[in-house]
Amino acid sequence: AQSVTQPDIHITVSEGASLELRCNYSYGATPYLFWYVQSPGQGLQLLLKYFSGDTLVQGIKGFEAEFKRSQSSFNLRKPSVHWSDAAEYFCAVGAIQAGTALIFGKGTTLSVSS
Amino acid sequence: DGGITQSPKYLFRKEGQNVTLSCEQNLNHDAMYWYRQDPGQGLRLIYYSQIVNDFQKGDIAEGYSVSREKKESFPLTVTSAQKNPTAFYLCASSIRTVNEQFFGPGTRLTVL
Repeated sequence: AQSVTQPDIHITVSEGASLELRCNYSYGATPYLFWYVQSPGQGLQLLLKYFSGDTLVQGIKGFEAEFKRSQSSFNLRKPSVHWSDAAEYFCAVGAIQAGTALIFGKGTTLSVSS
Repeated sequence: DGGITQSPKYLFRKEGQNVTLSCEQNLNHDAMYWYRQDPGQGLRLIYYSQIVNDFQKGDIAEGYSVSREKKESFPLTVTSAQKNPTAFYLCASSIRTVNEQFFGPGTRLTVL
């Protein structure tokens, strides 16, 4: 069965510092992978996605993620965090065969300190 | 503008009453979803629909019902059988289930 693990429940980063949010998945074949961001009381916004091809994908707001098949990981990175990046981040995995909904991780809350 | 609308943003109901949450999309997406979000629990799938007049139960379907009579609409009814209905409810849609989902702004339901 597919699963997604986000090992860090809460991370605090200083403004201007780099960020890496971890995501590990369990799936027998190459999955489709997504990162979303959610501000308090809002819906989720897609940051980036990986379907195939280049394993380093660029997203919106200066985020990027790298798919590492050997580690079953899809970590989200940003070189310099801004206070406005404080939010909750969700990793999700999809199955290539149609008919099953995306599986979401439980999320990582990012706080940004000044 | 294309997107997903959920109404209302805040909803209050008395215990024992059924309540229906609205979700409409104009993205021409085939698939639609309902999630429940509680603090620290991430998103939990309630129901999803891949096509009109068809839907599947998610992980926490008990106490909820849905219909999909039109491609654009996927209303969720929270019935009196749902033991803890107070939560934030998110609706989403996608071209197909394997594609990225687009989310509405959510409805916060409070049962008093």
